[in-house]
Amino acid sequence: EAQVTQNPRYLITVTGKKLTVTCSQNMNHEYMSWYRQDPGLGLRQIYYSMNVEVTDKGDVPEGYKVSRKEKRNFPLILESPSPNQTSLYFCASSFHRGSGEQFFGPGTRLTVL
Amino acid sequence: GQQVMQIPQYQHVQEGEDFTTYCNSSTTLSNIQWYKQRPGGHPVFLIQLVKSGEVKKQKRLTFQFGEAKKNSSLHITATQTTDVGTYFCAGRKMDSNYQLIWGAGTKLIIKP
Repeated sequence: EAQVTQNPRYLITVTGKKLTVTCSQNMNHEYMSWYRQDPGLGLRQIYYSMNVEVTDKGDVPEGYKVSRKEKRNFPLILESPSPNQTSLYFCASSFHRGSGEQFFGPGTRLTVL
Repeated sequence: GQQVMQIPQYQHVQEGEDFTTYCNSSTTLSNIQWYKQRPGGHPVFLIQLVKSGEVKKQKRLTFQFGEAKKNSSLHITATQTTDVGTYFCAGRKMDSNYQLIWGAGTKLIIKP
């Protein structure tokens, strides 16, 4: 089954404790991205990757890191989480950046205390 | 920066009534996509509109892309409980980055 998976689905952590949210897709998509969703603000892009070893900042990259060492995986790293990073996070992938639908993962609800 | 404004933020309707959400961009878009997010779920792609003035239908859903490729609408006829969720538009910029700019979403609530 074609899908995007994220782990963990739910996470409660404390300020400053490094964490990684994993994302994996099995559709051989070139393009992957991370979004955060906050009430009233819609989806805001954090980082994106157009292919292996190619990543770039989205609209709200501060406090986040990503890597793309393999085509299928695109982890999101919070080196020192803060309460303002409490949010719902979605990973998404598409075949190519310039066209086509984005397939979203199930989401990761993160709470930073 | 470039924005896509989506209205209304919420719409309460009785089951069987129609529903419409509108998106307006400050600049011309390459194309626009629509997604639906069920409560507790993730966004799911509905459709992509590319041509100026394009109209597409999916059963009770009608999607339009304006002549100037700056605005778009989604209209649902005779809403059903299965239509509940938040509808997002996402416009793709015309420049080389092809970045998607998301509307804030319209939440459809069916009154009991």
